[in-house]
Amino acid sequence: SQQGEEDPQALSIQEGENATMNCSYKTSINNLQWYRQNSGRGLVHLILIRSNEREKHSGRLRVTLDTSKKSSSLLITASRAADTASYFCATDASGYSTLTFGKGTMLLVSP
Amino acid sequence: DAGITQSPRYKITETGRQVTLMCHQTWSHSYMFWYRQDLGHGLRLIYYSAAADITDKGEVPDGYVVSRSKTENFPLTLESATRSQTSVYFCASSEFLAGVAEQFFGPGTRLTVL
Repeated sequence: SQQGEEDPQALSIQEGENATMNCSYKTSINNLQWYRQNSGRGLVHLILIRSNEREKHSGRLRVTLDTSKKSSSLLITASRAADTASYFCATDASGYSTLTFGKGTMLLVSP
Repeated sequence: DAGITQSPRYKITETGRQVTLMCHQTWSHSYMFWYRQDLGHGLRLIYYSAAADITDKGEVPDGYVVSRSKTENFPLTLESATRSQTSVYFCASSEFLAGVAEQFFGPGTRLTVL
């Protein structure tokens, strides 16, 4: 069963706009991670937020975590066509490095 | 080449045949993982390994066998392939540092079972 569930399943925006993706999960976690997957490629780690953190930034990425609501959001600011990809949240509940992935959000950024 | 590699990248086989997918990493990461990715299911963990000679089942282990005799290699074997095992398989590795670990993924193997 999936721990994380992303919302929306698909998102289509114009270049320059911001993209927000949400992730909900069911159990307590050690940390939550976001990954990107370009078509036909492996996943690439974007950012990790620990359970005792509320917000984290990395370049154009901003991640928030609300452990009381068991939810996280990923914001990509000033989107570019190159951001077109699937984005997955992954939760680490075990503390032993195993992750449970959601089904992903497909982001399409049009020029 | 540095990083994590998978071979073959594409494989077509027939029902009942044994297939082995290879995974090799050059970072000496302790942890290695096998996932399968199917439309509508996202990534699901098949098996993982915390160190050489230590393996454990994930969410969907049935029909698969793994071994890890060397830290850098983590082969996945389908002992008798079935059509339901048609999927894209990803290998990943990680090192557990300061209480967290990000995973590094290989390029994937697209397996078709006829």
